[in-house]
Amino acid sequence: DSGVTQTPKHLITATGQRVTLRCSPRSGDLSVYWYQQSLDQGLQFLIQYYNGEERAKGNILERFSAQQFPDLHSELNLSSLELGDSALYFCASSTSDSSYNSPLHFGNGTRLTVT
Amino acid sequence: GDSVTQMEGPVTLSEEAFLTINCTYTATGYPSLFWYVQYPGEGLQLLLKATKADDKGSNKGFEATYRKETTSFHLEKGSVQVSDSAVYFCALIATSGSRLTFGEGTQLTVNP
Repeated sequence: DSGVTQTPKHLITATGQRVTLRCSPRSGDLSVYWYQQSLDQGLQFLIQYYNGEERAKGNILERFSAQQFPDLHSELNLSSLELGDSALYFCASSTSDSSYNSPLHFGNGTRLTVT
Repeated sequence: GDSVTQMEGPVTLSEEAFLTINCTYTATGYPSLFWYVQYPGEGLQLLLKATKADDKGSNKGFEATYRKETTSFHLEKGSVQVSDSAVYFCALIATSGSRLTFGEGTQLTVNP
């Protein structure tokens, strides 16, 4: 058990809809990272927050947004969903603002299926 | 930009066979290198890491050596078990950035 909790585990929704994925980091971790895992793109970094502030942005679409709350949990919002957004979305946490010296701890992911 | 290339999978071995999964990278500076493992239905777990040239990371019988001259970080295990069946990801992080860049992943299946 990594200590990172993601909900829900599975999500099935229709094109055009909006969903929210939730992540609770390990106790004491200030950084939260979001990754998308799909068959054709592999593991893609989306965005990172550190102590409530956006720290780094990767290949995140404009239809996607995220935030980290004062209690350090994070939410990833996906809107105007398309079939191609179907993927496994992982949250990871670490103690510092850089994973260079502080390893990432991953949750079990949320599997999103857009129909 | 930074990138990681892994050998194509899937890899299927018999129990007690020797395992090598190749990984090469492209990065500026002196990145840290990692191997992560993903068991079915789970998130990724850090398996081992190396932070400078010639360092050897090891864990659970797996080893990988940071080879700067060949920009490689191949994963090896002398005798695999059925329980090693998983997807293995090579990854790097550059000295100046905070994001982890992953390879494509290699599916390993070990048969009894």
